[in-house]
Amino acid sequence: DGGITQSPKYLFRKEGQNVTLSCEQNLNHDAMYWYRQDPGQGLRLIYYSQIVNDFQKGDIAEGYSVSREKKESFPLTVTSAQKNPTAFYLCASRRGDAGSTEAFFGQGTRLTVV
Amino acid sequence: DAKTTQPNSMESNEEEPVHLPCNHSTISGTDYIHWYRQLPSQGPEYVIHGLTSNVNNRMASLAIAEDRKSSTLILHRATLRDAAVYYCILRAYRGSGTYKYIFGTGTRLKVLA
Repeated sequence: DGGITQSPKYLFRKEGQNVTLSCEQNLNHDAMYWYRQDPGQGLRLIYYSQIVNDFQKGDIAEGYSVSREKKESFPLTVTSAQKNPTAFYLCASRRGDAGSTEAFFGQGTRLTVV
Repeated sequence: DAKTTQPNSMESNEEEPVHLPCNHSTISGTDYIHWYRQLPSQGPEYVIHGLTSNVNNRMASLAIAEDRKSSTLILHRATLRDAAVYYCILRAYRGSGTYKYIFGTGTRLKVLA
């Protein structure tokens, strides 16, 4: 079955360490997105990528980095520069053409930094 | 970017219709209105979308104001499984074939048995 997979579901890290969250999709989607979700707030866009080897900053990109070396994969690195990294992180993908509208989300990764 | 505004929470009785409002007064002409819902500890799932005309699908209906500055998601008969956070989202075109989804804070729907 096609889908979008995030791993791991729960992740714990010590303060000051970089950590990479995985996002893989086998839907043949061109566009992929990373969001952060905090209690009482809507999803906020971190980075997005429209095509392989290209990505753009979202609204809260500081302290994060991404890569898009393969169409299927869009890993997110939370660096030590991110001041409040503890959050629920969601990855999404959609077909790249203008006619497609539905985004598919992964199950999320809950990152806790201690 | 345009933004959406929704009530923080709503309650409904089971088997009754639910109308979830959303304001998006700064919407631009090319922004689509999307609704997603999110169950606890899961990613959001698509519910419905529209541009100008009202839309119906098997999950819900979407009523869009004539000036497009507001919309309403309608669940015709709420069930306990419809309890979730409902997000009204604008899908905004950012040029070069790039789209962004702009989320609001969502409405937490509680369904009472």
